[in-house]
Amino acid sequence: AQTVTQSQPEMSVQEAETVTLSCTYDTSESDYYLFWYKQPPSRQMILVIRQEAYKQQNATENRFSVNFQKAAKSFSLKISDSQLGDAAMYFCAYRSNYGGSQGNLIFGKGTKLSVKP
Amino acid sequence: DTEVTQTPKHLVMGMTNKKSLKCEQHMGHRAMYWYKQKAKKPPELMFVYSYEKLSINESVPSRFSPECPNSSLLNLHLHALQPEDSALYLCASSHASKRGGTDTQYFGPGTRLTVL
Repeated sequence: AQTVTQSQPEMSVQEAETVTLSCTYDTSESDYYLFWYKQPPSRQMILVIRQEAYKQQNATENRFSVNFQKAAKSFSLKISDSQLGDAAMYFCAYRSNYGGSQGNLIFGKGTKLSVKP
Repeated sequence: DTEVTQTPKHLVMGMTNKKSLKCEQHMGHRAMYWYKQKAKKPPELMFVYSYEKLSINESVPSRFSPECPNSSLLNLHLHALQPEDSALYLCASSHASKRGGTDTQYFGPGTRLTVL
C-alpha cells in the first residue's frame, strides 16, 4: 500500500522569505500523480500544484515550485517570496494512475505553515 | 472555472434529526466524492460516485446515505448521527474515465457539522 509522509508538523517563515515543505512517499508503482493542497483556516482545500511521475521537469506555479526526486520518492514544495496569505495547512497527496480505489487520494498528515510579518 | 459549491456552510443537528448536505459542480466532472475531515487531520474518503453510480463506499456507517441524482449534484443524507460525527464534510469532483481512472480533484468549501 502507498503511504505519504510529511515529517514537519509545523513550519514558520518570515514574510518575503523562502520556505520548503518536505514530503516523501512510498510506492511500487511507476505511474502516479503527486499533489500539494493548501487549506487555509477558511477551510477550503485548494490545489497548489501537481506533478506527473513521468515528467522529469519539476512543476511550477508562480511562487510555488516542487523538487520531485522520483528515485528518492521525495516531493518537496518550495514557496518563494512568502506572503501572509500563504499561511495554511499544506497537504501532500499521492494518486495512482490506475483505476478503481487505487485512484483515490492518499494524504500525508499535513504541515501547518505560519507566516510572520 | 474550478468551482465546487456546498450548502449549508454550517449545520447543527440533534441525534434524532434528519438533514442533508448538498454539493454541486458545473465543470462536467463525472466523479464526485465525499470526505470527512476532523480538526488538524487530513480528509478521510467516505464515498465515490463515478458516472452517477456509487463506486466506492469506505465502510461508512449506514447513518450516512449518499445520493447522486444527476451528474452535477451530490447529496449526503444524515440520520441518527452521533456526536463523534461532528466534523468538516468536504465534497470534491474530478474528471473520470469509463475504465475507472480519475483526474485531479477539486474541493468545495465544506460543511461544518455539529451533532449535539
